Amino acid sequence: SYELTQPPSVSVSPGQTASITCSGDKLGNKYACWYHHKPGQSPVLVIYHDFKRPSGIPERFSGSNSGNTATLTISGTQAMDEADYYCQVWDSSTGNVVFGGGTKLTVL
Amino acid sequence: EVQLVETGGDLIQPGGSLRLSCAASGFTVNSNYMSWVRQAPGKGLEWVSIIYSAGGTYYADSVKGRFTISRDNSKNTLYLQMNNLRAEDTAVYYCASMVFGVDVYIDFWGQGTLVTVSS
Repeated sequence: SYELTQPPSVSVSPGQTASITCSGDKLGNKYACWYHHKPGQSPVLVIYHDFKRPSGIPERFSGSNSGNTATLTISGTQAMDEADYYCQVWDSSTGNVVFGGGTKLTVL
Repeated sequence: EVQLVETGGDLIQPGGSLRLSCAASGFTVNSNYMSWVRQAPGKGLEWVSIIYSAGGTYYADSVKGRFTISRDNSKNTLYLQMNNLRAEDTAVYYCASMVFGVDVYIDFWGQGTLVTVSS
């Protein structure tokens, strides 16, 4: 089955740029999306179609996907961005939705 | 406005059964792709099952043969029938509507309902 790998944690200082990676076999051949998830809340889509932002998501969120790695970049990171971030793709060979293991972003 | 409201979460003994419901408003369940996603305590998000607008269904290997996803068009409600529950099924279960086209992603999530499997 298809697997996505994320680093368990990433730390960033306020105002700096955070990059969270998601790795998978030939991931660049699929479309990746990203969610952030805060404790006690439902997940929120922040990037879809590799790089597109849903309405209401700040411009500081951007995405890319090439080769075996998709990357979520948060520019000018704010304290409110502290959350767990998950990448997700669809595995057409099995019909399954696949999530990465999640990355805890700490802003300190 | 799109809303998804899950109900049915409970404390259940191992081997027991439970049915989760997800009442939708603002769109019709049978014209959408719908999924269940869960999060076990201290763990990440795990996709559980999907039902296509045409009715096809798929399941994660961890629940295949035990869980069944279905919908009631007249009630605009999505269901997850869970049988032979195990301790590892303990999780918050989210109902989600999906965009299914060139790419596939979740655009709306419910608030989640907690299932605890314990004796």
